[in-house]
Amino acid sequence: AQRVTQPEKLLSVFKGAPVELKCNYSYSGSPELFWYVQYSRQRLQLLLRHISRESIKGFTADLNKGETSFHLKKPFAQEEDSAMYYCALSTSGSARQLTFGSGTQLTVLP
Amino acid sequence: DTAVSQTPKYLVTQMGNDKSIKCEQNLGHDTMYWYKQDSKKFLKIMFSYNNKELIINETVPNRFSPKSPDKAHLNLHINSLELGDSAVYFCASSPAGLYNEQFFGPGTRLTVL
Repeated sequence: AQRVTQPEKLLSVFKGAPVELKCNYSYSGSPELFWYVQYSRQRLQLLLRHISRESIKGFTADLNKGETSFHLKKPFAQEEDSAMYYCALSTSGSARQLTFGSGTQLTVLP
Repeated sequence: DTAVSQTPKYLVTQMGNDKSIKCEQNLGHDTMYWYKQDSKKFLKIMFSYNNKELIINETVPNRFSPKSPDKAHLNLHINSLELGDSAVYFCASSPAGLYNEQFFGPGTRLTVL
């Protein structure tokens, strides 16, 4: 069975500091990994996906199959980055369910 | 607006009642989902459904049942509500294909008294 682990429930950094949200996964198949974000009073939305290798709002995440990790990074955090971040793994098959980690609440302090 | 919508936004009810939450998507997506977010903000898949198959998370009690009148709707029916059912329920949809984004509804906060 697949599993996603986010070891940090709460993470606080100061504005302008680097931030890294950790995510580790276990899955026997070929992983499809995502980061979703939930800003205060907003719906959950996709931040980025590993296949795209893109940078969104300054965030990047690299899939490391050797370490089974997909950590989310940003070199300079902004106050508007404060939100709940979920790492998610998509299973194979015709209905691609997402298995979420437990989430990390990021607070960027002024 | 193109989006995933849910009604109601808030639902307060007594233990033992039967209730439904509606979900509609006008994105033309093939697959719809229901997720449960508990008080600790942990999100867990409950169901995924497209016109070919229904996949049920084995941990979901059979008091919960999804019903899809058409491709754009996936409603969640809950029988004999229990205190532990209190949570935020999210509907989502996605198009077919690999690596596709899931689009989430705003959530329905269910409180069972």
